[in-house]
Amino acid sequence: QKEVEQDPGPLSVPEGAIVSLNCTYSNSAFQYFMWYRQYSRKGPELLMYTYSSGNKEDGRFTAQVDKSSKYISLFIRDSQPSDSATYLCAMKRGAGNNRKLIWGLGTSLAVNP
Amino acid sequence: DVKVTQSSRYLVKRTGEKVFLECVQDMDHENMFWYRQDPGLGLRLIYFSYDVKMKEKGDIPEGYSVSREKKERFSLILESASTNQTSMYLCASSPVGQGAGNTIYFGEGSWLTVV
Repeated sequence: QKEVEQDPGPLSVPEGAIVSLNCTYSNSAFQYFMWYRQYSRKGPELLMYTYSSGNKEDGRFTAQVDKSSKYISLFIRDSQPSDSATYLCAMKRGAGNNRKLIWGLGTSLAVNP
Repeated sequence: DVKVTQSSRYLVKRTGEKVFLECVQDMDHENMFWYRQDPGLGLRLIYFSYDVKMKEKGDIPEGYSVSREKKERFSLILESASTNQTSMYLCASSPVGQGAGNTIYFGEGSWLTVV
């Protein structure tokens, strides 16, 4: 079993929809959780960074962590065609260097006008 | 803005060639990384460097070596390219710090095809 599981999709939604992207993990020691967005043929860029449990909101994006269920989510409200990309979750145990970062495989999202 | 620059975006090389992928970051970050990304396998760490001339093997170092002679520059070397090294290669850097302060920043990627 992989440490981090992420449904690869593809996920296709109409413009304006609420999108829910998810990752599950097996290591209860993970405390730092990140979501990256990767456009086609580009490098990933950080979207959201959360520590431990709870919600974090940034504009149309909300990151949610449920440590009891070992489950993290990224919600996108009022989705736009420009949100079409692959979304990668990543997580690690400690605050230290990113050598220990564990990545999901990514979910491909298409937002249709 | 942090910038990680990979000098070659698209390369085609022959089997057995020695290949150099160059990466430069402009934010004085201590840590630098080389990943490869493949469909169905995701991001896999090849090598990590935490200081000049210091390196650590990642999860898939076989067939690769690295060089970090200056803090801002981290090179990936394929000693003898093989077709199974056809992939997208991503360079990244991050500062030493706590929490969101050590966010990892990626370059745009180098697409390598070995024929």
